[in-house]
Amino acid sequence: GENVEQHPSTLSVQEGDSAVIKCTYSDSASNYFPWYKQELGKRPQLIIDIRSNVGEKKDQRIAVTLNKTAKHFSLHITETQPEDSAVYFCAASVGTGGFKTIFGAGTRLFVKA
Amino acid sequence: DTGVSQNPRHKITKRGQNVTFRCDPISEHNRLYWYRQTLGQGPEFLTYFQNEAQLEKSRLLSDRFSAERPKGSFSTLEIQRTEQGDSAMYLCASTTEGEQYFGPGTRLTVT
Repeated sequence: GENVEQHPSTLSVQEGDSAVIKCTYSDSASNYFPWYKQELGKRPQLIIDIRSNVGEKKDQRIAVTLNKTAKHFSLHITETQPEDSAVYFCAASVGTGGFKTIFGAGTRLFVKA
Repeated sequence: DTGVSQNPRHKITKRGQNVTFRCDPISEHNRLYWYRQTLGQGPEFLTYFQNEAQLEKSRLLSDRFSAERPKGSFSTLEIQRTEQGDSAMYLCASTTEGEQYFGPGTRLTVT
């Protein structure tokens, strides 16, 4: 089946600490894994993505790692800031051509000042 | 504004009525997606189009839902005989490849 599981559902960290969100996927053919950030009342926006031919990707304070064998990928946010507080969704492409996208249930991140 | 737009932004309807939502994607994007999002959940895939062709529809979607993209540009999502369980945010997104650009959504409330 097509499923993306995301953990934890909520995460509270102190400003400056790191935050890690983990996802697992079921479709071994998945080849594209985006992460979206959604602030309250706003639309989801891409923050970083990774393709299956790469094991890790970094963009300033944000990094994503992918383990294809284990079918899991993780988002790492370092030096968290209050403005990082939001809901984060992982997703995986599934199906023929990889055009269909399945989202995880989301992680609500609170960064305490 | 050159982003994805959706209309209306809010819709309140009585149970049993039909509703139609519109999505205008970014003009050069050939792929268009519809999602449904309820509070505390991630976007749930409903359907997607490659140009005017509807390539996949969620098996969770009942026959009351239908979507069109007649000229490969804007798309409409119609829900017939609405039920209270249809209350949600309906999101549209478009892309050429990779990153999906989301619209602001249409919030549907079925009373």
